[in-house]
Amino acid sequence: GQQVMQIPQYQHVQEGEDFTTYCNSSTTLSNIQWYKQRPGGHPVFLIQLVKSGEVKKQKRLTFQFGEAKKNSSLHITATQTTDVGTYFCAGTGNQFYFGTGTSLTVIP
Amino acid sequence: GAGVSQSPRYKVTKRGQDVALRCDPISGHVSLYWYRQALGQGPEFLTYFNYEAQQDKSGLPNDRFSAERPEGSISTLTIQRTEQRDSAMYRCASSLYVMGPALAKNIQYFGAGTRLSVL
Repeated sequence: GQQVMQIPQYQHVQEGEDFTTYCNSSTTLSNIQWYKQRPGGHPVFLIQLVKSGEVKKQKRLTFQFGEAKKNSSLHITATQTTDVGTYFCAGTGNQFYFGTGTSLTVIP
Repeated sequence: GAGVSQSPRYKVTKRGQDVALRCDPISGHVSLYWYRQALGQGPEFLTYFNYEAQQDKSGLPNDRFSAERPEGSISTLTIQRTEQRDSAMYRCASSLYVMGPALAKNIQYFGAGTRLSVL
């Protein structure tokens, strides 16, 4: 079964509000990737984190990899309507697992 | 090609029929992955190849599912004796580098998928 869980499953925010999705693995991961899937589209790579405690930023997006390499988070500051979509984490442990995803809706 | 190409885009079949789904990865990409994605769910890993070698097929649901990549490029996912529960979006992805437990930056590029409906 799926080893990588994400919370929340759904999130509705007002445009301009912040958004965070959390990714938790039952096992230690070698690395973690984040993907974004727009409605009706396919997953598109955002970033990869490799080091324990690593933090990376892409404009309004901040990605963190936990110290134990079992969890990760994606934080979006001041959401925009273009941020709408489902955000997946994906980790490499014994296999390659995608998380359950967080679907973000931004209300203009 | 410019991106990962999957065909057909849509496939409707009757229960019990065999189907073959094709994936044409980005030229030069050595790793190829197959996923199944149910509506509202994350991609479920099925299998992957490094070059022509199938590295891990533990994600294949049962022995009705098989995949091949004989020349290290195009891959085919075959489902025999389809059942209604096989209905899903089947996605293929490719990456430039070999996937491994301590992989370097290994971006997966996804195709548009094949929507399979088994009636």
